[in-house]
Amino acid sequence: KAGVTQTPRYLIKTRGQQVTLSCSPISGHRSVSWYQQTPGQGLQFLFEYFSETQRNKGNFPGRFSGRQFSNSRSEMNVSTLELGDSALYLCASSLVASGSGADTQYFGPGTRLTVL
Amino acid sequence: DQQVKQNSPSLSVQEGRISILNCDYTNSMFDYFLWYKKYPAEGPTFLISISSIKDKNEDGRFTVFLNKSAKHLSLHIVPSQPGDSAVYFCAASARGTGNQFYFGTGTSLTVIP
Repeated sequence: KAGVTQTPRYLIKTRGQQVTLSCSPISGHRSVSWYQQTPGQGLQFLFEYFSETQRNKGNFPGRFSGRQFSNSRSEMNVSTLELGDSALYLCASSLVASGSGADTQYFGPGTRLTVL
Repeated sequence: DQQVKQNSPSLSVQEGRISILNCDYTNSMFDYFLWYKKYPAEGPTFLISISSIKDKNEDGRFTVFLNKSAKHLSLHIVPSQPGDSAVYFCAASARGTGNQFYFGTGTSLTVIP
C-alpha cells in the first residue's frame, strides 16, 4: 500500500505571495492532519480534516487554511506569506475507525517551504 | 504552552545497551500516545502507541511505559542499534479531540557502535 505523498517537496516563495500544498493520504484513510515543523518548536498542529470537514484547528492565524476533497486528498493554503512561515509542512493520514477517537497517524515526507 | 515535553534534547548510548527516552505531559485529558522516529529530510515514522487504559505496550525491541499518575511516558529500546540513531518525538491526543496531537520537541538519539 502506498504511503502518504506530498507535493511539491520543496518550494521557494517571496513574502506576500500565497502557496498551496497538496497531500494524498494512504488509500482508505479518511482523516488528514497538517503540521508545521520549525527548529526548536517541534511539530505544531495546524488542522485536521475528516470527511471533507475541518474537525480540529490549531492556534494559527487565518492565513492558514485547508480543504479536503471527496477522495480524501487535502490541500493546505497559506496566503500573504511571511518570513516566519518558512518551515517543513507535514501531512499525516489516519484511518479513523471511530468518530471522535484518535488513531495512529502516518506522515508524508513533508514540503519544505522557504519564504524569502 | 507546551503540553508535551521532552526535556532531554539529546542522548548517547552504546550499541547493545538500553536507550530510554522520556516524555512528560501536563494535560490529564490525554488518553492516546504515540512515539515517532524521524530522520533528517523525512517525515516522522510511527513506532509504537499506547492508550491510557494500558501501562505498557511492547513491539519487538520497543516498549512504551505509561505512568498516568506522574503524567510520564517513556520509550525503551533494547538492544540499541546504530540504525536507531534519529530524533524521537512523543505525541499525545486528548479524549474526544480526534486526531489533534500535541508533540514534544524531540530527543536526538545517537547509538555509538
